[in-house]
Amino acid sequence: AQRVTQPEKLLSVFKGAPVELKCNYSYSGSPELFWYVQYSRQRLQLLLRHISRESIKGFTADLNKGETSFHLKKPFAQEEDSAMYYCASYTGGFKTIFGAGTRLFVKA
Amino acid sequence: EAGVAQSPRYKIIEKRQSVAFWCNPISGHATLYWYQQILGQGPKLLIQFQNNGVVDDSQLPKDRFSAERLKGVDSTLKIQPAKLEDSAVYLCASSTTGELFFGEGSRLTVL
Repeated sequence: AQRVTQPEKLLSVFKGAPVELKCNYSYSGSPELFWYVQYSRQRLQLLLRHISRESIKGFTADLNKGETSFHLKKPFAQEEDSAMYYCASYTGGFKTIFGAGTRLFVKA
Repeated sequence: EAGVAQSPRYKIIEKRQSVAFWCNPISGHATLYWYQQILGQGPKLLIQFQNNGVVDDSQLPKDRFSAERLKGVDSTLKIQPAKLEDSAVYLCASSTTGELFFGEGSRLTVL
């Protein structure tokens, strides 16, 4: 069965520190992986997707098929990065499954 | 481009009452999803439509939840009768290429 695991419910870092939000997936095929973000009082929105290989707001994520991971990283966290982050897996059949989410809190 | 619209934003009902949520997806998006998000959890897929046909409703509690997407555009999600554990945010999303576009959600409180 398709599953997405985010082991940390809460991650707290100081401004300027590196941050890594972990995501592991289980799926027998080749899913497409996404990171979605929800800032306070805003709707859930796409942050980045692995096929685009872009860096959005300083965040990057690399798909590691060997470890079935898609960790989200940023070298220097900013206060405005504080939000709820969800890893998601999209498979054939247009189905998207979400992880439980990690709340990132960046302290001044 | 207008985003995904949902209504109502908030609804408070007593258990055993009924409630309906409405969603208008982004124009041209064939795929429409309803997710349930309970506090502290990630979005859980309830039902997925491709145009006006159901693709996946395996997680929909069909004894009390129903959804339809007439004419392949707007969609309605209904709960009847509601239980306390249905308290959650109900998210509608639409998609064409894998990226989901979400509405603001409808927050349901069942007392």
